[in-house]
Amino acid sequence: GAGVSQTPSNKVTEKGKYVELRCDPISGHTALYWYRQSLGQGPEFLIYFQGTGAADDSGLPNDRFFAVRPEGSVSTLKIQRTERGDSAVYLCASSSQGQGNGYTFGSGTRLTVV
Amino acid sequence: AQKVTQAQTEISVVEKEDVTLDCVYETRDTTYYLFWYKQPPSGELVFLIRRNSFDEQNEISGRYSWNFQKSTSSFNFTITASQVVDSAVYFCALSDPSGGYQKVTFGTGTKLQVIP
Repeated sequence: GAGVSQTPSNKVTEKGKYVELRCDPISGHTALYWYRQSLGQGPEFLIYFQGTGAADDSGLPNDRFFAVRPEGSVSTLKIQRTERGDSAVYLCASSSQGQGNGYTFGSGTRLTVV
Repeated sequence: AQKVTQAQTEISVVEKEDVTLDCVYETRDTTYYLFWYKQPPSGELVFLIRRNSFDEQNEISGRYSWNFQKSTSSFNFTITASQVVDSAVYFCALSDPSGGYQKVTFGTGTKLQVIP
């Protein structure tokens, strides 16, 4: 597609439920990133994929968070047993190159845990 | 450790005024990248510029200019003749080898409001 697409744009879930957030990167972009942005803060790194593999998942806050990219394109961020503190905007970005080039970000998924 | 500080939380200017957004960074590495992103009310982060640590030349792109000074670890962003469409949150960011260059550390952002 023309840009990075994230679905859903908004998600409200109850505490303790499981959620999946989807990211469809720009076609041909091998690098894919997930960031989390809390209100009034800058984005915080969660995980980076190069192709199908997670090259760096050091930003995932705990084992309730998991992400996959099975075919090297679409990625899904999965959150188990959601907590109110997980409420944030989850941003996905893709890049055609590594080495810290500027990303193209999606519009994000606003997750609200009630 | 990486750190990016944007001390200005919010700035308001009247249209056509010039405005400078400050950014101070910390890194232990000599090779790193600095970025500026714009986040308009729609929420999508828009890449503005990337600067390599070895290139200290200032850059100008239309009404935007960037001043990179390694001596003060600063990478400031100036908008000349501001317009209402410039209203957004602006983030300064850094990547360095400690994060494999793939992990970008963002500042907390400066919210710019341009008043018509």
